[in-house]
Amino acid sequence: AQSVTQLDSQVPVFEEAPVELRCNYSSSVSVYLFWYVQYPNQGLQLLLKYLSGSTLVKGINGFEAEFNKSQTSFHLRKPSVHISDTAEYFCAVSPPPSGTYKYIFGTGTRLKVLA
Amino acid sequence: DAGVTQSPTHLIKTRGQQVTLRCSPKSGHDTVSWYQQALGQGPQFIFQYYEEEERQRGNFPDRFSGHQFPNYSSELNVNALLLGDSALYLCASSYSAGRNNEQFFGPGTRLTVL
Repeated sequence: AQSVTQLDSQVPVFEEAPVELRCNYSSSVSVYLFWYVQYPNQGLQLLLKYLSGSTLVKGINGFEAEFNKSQTSFHLRKPSVHISDTAEYFCAVSPPPSGTYKYIFGTGTRLKVLA
Repeated sequence: DAGVTQSPTHLIKTRGQQVTLRCSPKSGHDTVSWYQQALGQGPQFIFQYYEEEERQRGNFPDRFSGHQFPNYSSELNVNALLLGDSALYLCASSYSAGRNNEQFFGPGTRLTVL
């Protein structure tokens, strides 16, 4: 079984400052890793994903994440945030191609960008 | 490409009633998954449909049931509604032969049970 822990429920940060949202996972098998963003009253939008290969993954809107197998982490980073980045961010894991595509989500981190 | 669509957007029901939510997958996708997102929580997997059959199920009671039609669209039915069923219900579609597990999510249906 897999599980995901997002260590921070809320992260306030000033505009143009860097931010890191933390995600740790637990799994007895290799997994695929995802970060999704959810704006108020909307569904989930994929920011980036790690399937294999380079451990540094670049996504949309200037976000990137680094897969660390030894620490079972997949932290999301942005060097300079904007007011428009205010949203809920979810980390998710999924087992390798098995035909099931079941996602396990963390509880989310609310990013609030302050002017 | 219309992406994943869901209807209705919002729904208000009372305890004990039954509700049906609908989902149309992204063009080319044949698999539909349903998730429940309670307020302040991450999405929880309910079940997944492929080839008109339930392929996998999360930890939800039998009051939650579903269906997939030949055109790959899907319905989620919830019977005997409880206050705790109030949540955002998300539909996600994917392609069974895809190798990257990527699911595309719809905007969700907000269900309020009074």
